[in-house]
Amino acid sequence: QAQVVQSKEELKEPGASVKVSCKTSGYDFSGYYIHWLRQAPGQGLEWMGWINPKSGGTNYAQKFQGRVTMSRDMSTTTAYMEMTSLTSEDTAVYYCARVYITAPYFGPWGQGTLVIVSS
Amino acid sequence: EIVLTQSPATLSLFPGERATLSCRASQNINIYLAWYQQKPGQAPRLLIYDASTRATGIPARFSGSGSATDFTLTISGLQPEDFAVYYCQQRSSWPTFGGGTKVEIK
Repeated sequence: QAQVVQSKEELKEPGASVKVSCKTSGYDFSGYYIHWLRQAPGQGLEWMGWINPKSGGTNYAQKFQGRVTMSRDMSTTTAYMEMTSLTSEDTAVYYCARVYITAPYFGPWGQGTLVIVSS
Repeated sequence: EIVLTQSPATLSLFPGERATLSCRASQNINIYLAWYQQKPGQAPRLLIYDASTRATGIPARFSGSGSATDFTLTISGLQPEDFAVYYCQQRSSWPTFGGGTKVEIK
């Protein structure tokens, strides 16, 4: 059974960077894209981009280009999302999610990582 | 960007009643729409994809319909565990989500 487990909550100061991990198991890691999404407190869901674990290729939403880097480690079947130049507006729960079958529908999801940006 | 508008924002119903949730797209997205359920403190869970196909393990009381710009999620006979927030998501272009409908106990 496919599972996705994310790293713990992070507290960062404005201007800092954060790197969130997404450990997968129970399926062929190279066979399914991993997407990253976020949800600000009390708000809806926002798509950030994807990584193709097989090739390492990435695609970022325009809003995050230049500030987000997605990567993966094939040896540990783990995906990563790093965001730089954090502001308070980046305070959110960050999710990684595997694509469901092939199309960009999402499931399973990680449990979410709360990133708080505050001085 | 394709905008998804969900209505109503809140739906107050008794257990056992039927829930009908709407999602309208700002342009034609064919059948490329999914529905998710999210409970407090949890990640979303995929219920329906391609407008009407139930994801693995989803009970038959959840059904989806629609195409082009108008879509509906129906929950036939609300169970206590169904009270949650529901989001629609399109994949016709880069993924976007609706603002959500909260289904609450009346």
